[in-house]
Amino acid sequence: QVQLVESGGGVVQPGKSLRLSCAAPRFAFSDYAMYWVRQAPGKGLEWVAFISYDGNNKFYADSVKGRFTISRDSSNATLFLHLNSLRAEDTALYYCARDFGRRYTTFYFGSWGQGTLVTVSS
Amino acid sequence: EIVLTQSPVTLSLSPGERATLSCRASQSISSFLAWYQQKPGQAPRLLIYDASSRATGIPSRFSGSGSGTDFTLTISSLVPVDFAVYYCQHRNTWPPLFTFGPGTKVDI
Repeated sequence: QVQLVESGGGVVQPGKSLRLSCAAPRFAFSDYAMYWVRQAPGKGLEWVAFISYDGNNKFYADSVKGRFTISRDSSNATLFLHLNSLRAEDTALYYCARDFGRRYTTFYFGSWGQGTLVTVSS
Repeated sequence: EIVLTQSPVTLSLSPGERATLSCRASQSISSFLAWYQQKPGQAPRLLIYDASSRATGIPSRFSGSGSGTDFTLTISSLVPVDFAVYYCQHRNTWPPLFTFGPGTKVDI
């Protein structure tokens, strides 16, 4: 069973920053592309960010471009999402997800963590 | 930008019945479509990828079909654990951009 464990969520004021982490200690982390996907309370799923297996390619949804940064630390098998200039509409459960394919990127979300909740409120 | 539309919004069925869920794309997306199941309080789970391939460990009662703009997820005979929300998802190969449909809730 793939284990992805997110952390770092919490309550933050608008305009502030937060860093989310996703620990992935039990699989060949460096072989997989990774993603962040979020879900606002009671709403559907929204892709947020993508990072290639080697970290050289990063892409973002238009709604977060310029404010969020995805990164990875392969030596510690950890994925990060830096959230800056937070807005109320960023309030959501943030999931990290692993690509379905190993060593080849399928661009499907094969395994998911349980999520970490970010609440942006004054 | 590709928009995915799912219908119906809610599907009320009983165990043993067949469920047919639809996902329509605003333009042709070939077979680049996946289906996910999400139960309350849980993360989504990949069921089907590339429109018709079952992911690892997914029961054979789940099947996907379609290409171009019209796609279907079929659950041949519902069991109680199948009552959940189902999302379709498109992936653009490059640049990687991803779109989810709004979901269909399958309930009793």
